[in-house]
Amino acid sequence: QVQLVESGGGLVKPGGSLRLSCVASGFTFSDYYMSWIRQAPGKGLEWVSYISSSGSTIYYADSVKGRFTISRDNAKNSLYLQMNSLRAEDTAVYYCARSRGCSGGRCYYFDYWGQGTLVTVSS
Amino acid sequence: QSALTQPPSVSGSPGQSVTISCTGTSSDVGSYNRVSWYQQPPGTAPKLMIYDVSNRPSGVPDRFSGSKSGNTASLTISGLQAEDEADYYCSSYTSSSTLFGGGTKLTVL
Repeated sequence: QVQLVESGGGLVKPGGSLRLSCVASGFTFSDYYMSWIRQAPGKGLEWVSYISSSGSTIYYADSVKGRFTISRDNAKNSLYLQMNSLRAEDTAVYYCARSRGCSGGRCYYFDYWGQGTLVTVSS
Repeated sequence: QSALTQPPSVSGSPGQSVTISCTGTSSDVGSYNRVSWYQQPPGTAPKLMIYDVSNRPSGVPDRFSGSKSGNTASLTISGLQAEDEADYYCSSYTSSSTLFGGGTKLTVL
């Protein structure tokens, strides 16, 4: 069965950095686009970024552009999110999600999600 | 772009039907048949329940159905069960992004 397991979250000071990881299993990782989606405490969902199956195409939400970098290692079935210059408003649970129908910075839907990893930005 | 608009809460008794609305604009819900719905029980990850307005992924009970009219999409849950209690989020493909609604808390009375 499809499994996505995130890790790397934690407490970081404003301006700091953090790298999230997501390990996939149960499907051919290299065949699928992948996204990071976040959820601030008590709030709704916000798409953050996606990366194509080969890693050649990447899009970001305006709120993180220039600060976050998405990448993947298909040999390790892994997805990453490097987060720099973190702000209090980046505090959220970050989910990795298998993504379908992605083009031009948007996706049709997200069919499998990980359990999430909490990032807290606070001094 | 603003988030899609959902009612903050809905409720129903076991066996009843409830409908959750998701209102967008002619630039998102109204323009594309790419509305999806996600169920999120407390403390868990979202789960895809409906995609492309009305399609159910394998394993999702047929008690869950989706529809769309104009700029508003709807998720209907019939034969409500206690296990359906969760937050529900809609999402829509747009010309430049993927938008989510603010979420609706479903309470099973």
